Amino acid sequence: QLQLQESGPGLVKPSETLSLTCTVSGDSIRGSDNFWAWIRQPPGKGLEWIGSIYYTGTTYYNPSLKSRVTISVDTSKNQFSLKLNSVTAADTAVYYCARGLDLVATGDWGQGTLVTVSS
Amino acid sequence: SSELTQDPAVSVALGQTVRITCQGDSLRSYYASWYQQKPGQAPVLVTYAKNNRPSGIPDRFSGSRSGNTASLTITGAQAEDEADYYCNSRDSSGNYVVFGGGTKLTVL
Repeated sequence: QLQLQESGPGLVKPSETLSLTCTVSGDSIRGSDNFWAWIRQPPGKGLEWIGSIYYTGTTYYNPSLKSRVTISVDTSKNQFSLKLNSVTAADTAVYYCARGLDLVATGDWGQGTLVTVSS
Repeated sequence: SSELTQDPAVSVALGQTVRITCQGDSLRSYYASWYQQKPGQAPVLVTYAKNNRPSGIPDRFSGSRSGNTASLTITGAQAEDEADYYCNSRDSSGNYVVFGGGTKLTVL
């Protein structure tokens, strides 16, 4: 059974870099014909797609975040990661990692992790 | 602002049929996916592509598309269907993903 688990600091200071890792179990990222995505949800608000990566390393980013975002994959650890730099309070959100059937249809989600940006 | 527009709130009587819509120019070219999210939980994919349901999703959930509008229809709404529903799809360029703002469904 597929499981995705986000990990990383729950508190990040303004202007610093938010770093999260998603550990995948029950499926291998290497050779998997799936997309691996990061999606966030500010408290009380809707979902926002941050970006996705294919196992080959090809990335797709939300244009509104592209200048600050890096998504990478480590197939040896079966993990993929998110880095978001120069964070502000507006980046406070629950961050989900997920597996997509394709770029759009996201069928499996982690439980989400709340990241708060505050000094 | 989102390129996909959803009504903020919709209500349905128990056992009746409800349609939740999602509008956007990109939907003329791309299918939408639909997600159900209950408070404190991660979203769950309920329909995708033309009208596919992941395993475990009841067949009372169906998806469709007409012109620039995608729809999620719940036929015979149940109390447990009360949730927020989000659509997503590709943007008009096809290069990235956008979500609708979400619709809060109340089952009366």
